[in-house]
Amino acid sequence: DAGVIQSPRHEVTEMGQEVTLRCKPISGHNSLFWYRQTMMRGLELLIYFNNNVPIDDSGMPEDRFSAKMPNASFSTLKIQPSEPRDSAVYFCASSLGDGYEKLFFGSGTQLSVL
Amino acid sequence: DQQVKQNSPSLSVQEGRISILNCDYTNSMFDYFLWYKKYPAEGPTFLISISSIKDKNEDGRFTVFLNKSAKHLSLHIVPSQPGDSAVYFCAAPLNFGNEKLTFGTGTRLTIIP
Repeated sequence: DAGVIQSPRHEVTEMGQEVTLRCKPISGHNSLFWYRQTMMRGLELLIYFNNNVPIDDSGMPEDRFSAKMPNASFSTLKIQPSEPRDSAVYFCASSLGDGYEKLFFGSGTQLSVL
Repeated sequence: DQQVKQNSPSLSVQEGRISILNCDYTNSMFDYFLWYKKYPAEGPTFLISISSIKDKNEDGRFTVFLNKSAKHLSLHIVPSQPGDSAVYFCAAPLNFGNEKLTFGTGTRLTIIP
C-alpha cells in the first residue's frame, strides 16, 4: 500500500491567494483527518470525515478554511484567502474508522504564505 | 486549551542510556493514550499505546507507563539508539471509542552518539 498521499509537498504563495491541499487516503480506510502542525500548538485537528461525511469541523480556524471529501479516495483542504499566519505544515491522516484505530499520516504539505 | 501537555520541548540523551519522555493530561475521562514518532519531512507514525485499565505496556525497547492518579504518562526507551532521534507526540482520543485524537506539542529527542 502506498500510504496516505498528500500534494503538494511544498506550497509557497502570496497573501490573499487561494491554496488547495490534496489528500488520497489509504484504500479501505473510512475516516480521514486534516491536522495542522505549528510550533506553538503542536498538532491541531482541523476537521475529520467518516464515510466521506464531515463529522466534526470545530477545529477549522475560520470561514477562510473549507474541506471536502467528494469520494472515498480524495479530499481537499482549501484556504481562501490565505494569510501569513496560515503558514504551517498540514497533515492528512486516515484510519479504518473503527474505535481506537491508529491514524496513518501522510508526509504533509509545508505551506508558506508570504 | 491543551488537554494533553508535553512540557519538555527537547531532550538530549547519550546513546545506550534510557530516554524518558513525559506527558500530562487534564481530562480524567481519557481512557486510552498513544505515542507517535515523527522524523523531519515525514508524517507522524504510531509507536505504542496504552489503555487506562493497564499501568504499563511494553513493546521491545519501548515501554509506556500510566499513572492515572497523577494524570501522567511516560515513554521509556531503553537502550536509546541514534535512530530514535525524532519528535515524540503523546495523544488521547477526545471521545470514548473515537479515533479523533488530541495531541501534545511534542518533545524533540536527540540521541548523542
